[in-house]
Amino acid sequence: DVKVTQSSRYLVKRTGEKVFLECVQDMDHENMFWYRQDPGLGLRLIYFSYDVKMKEKGDIPEGYSVSREKKERFSLILESASTNQTSMYLCASEGAATGYGYTFGSGTRLTVV
Amino acid sequence: SQQGEEDPQALSIQEGENATMNCSYKTSINNLQWYRQNSGRGLVHLILIRSNEREKHSGRLRVTLDTSKKSSSLLITASRAADTASYFCAPMDSNYQLIWGAGTKLIIKP
Repeated sequence: DVKVTQSSRYLVKRTGEKVFLECVQDMDHENMFWYRQDPGLGLRLIYFSYDVKMKEKGDIPEGYSVSREKKERFSLILESASTNQTSMYLCASEGAATGYGYTFGSGTRLTVV
Repeated sequence: SQQGEEDPQALSIQEGENATMNCSYKTSINNLQWYRQNSGRGLVHLILIRSNEREKHSGRLRVTLDTSKKSSSLLITASRAADTASYFCAPMDSNYQLIWGAGTKLIIKP
């Protein structure tokens, strides 16, 4: 069964901390995405990547950065966590193998205190 | 990016009944996808309909697409308790980006 795995299900961090959210996919997908989901706002795209070492800003990149050193791994970095970054973070991947539908991870619920 | 919009925001029906959810969008699209999300977890891809298709079926799911009206509908027939979830339509725009709305929360009553 194809999978997108996010390293943590729940995470609590302090304001100002540097936070790493990891995402790994086993489908050899080219494209990977980071979203955040907040009640009533739907999914908002933070960053995406079409290939190793490539990254593109989404709709809300401020306060975030990403890293894609290997095809299967896409990391989201909160440089200095703030309370307004408390959210559900969802990683997804997409490729020809799955007919261009996105495969999502189970999500990381991050609380910044 | 512009949001897609699902309608209704919430829907509560009896088990066994059919559920219909609608989606409208504003831009031209390559395809339109529907996803399900159970109770704050990750989203699951249900079905993809291309811009040159009008209807698509997958098991108990039927999706229609009307590009002239910029709208789509998802029909779930013979609903089950396990269908309780939030449903999202996600049109893929000309830049190959998915546009997300706030979803329809579907509750199936036993």
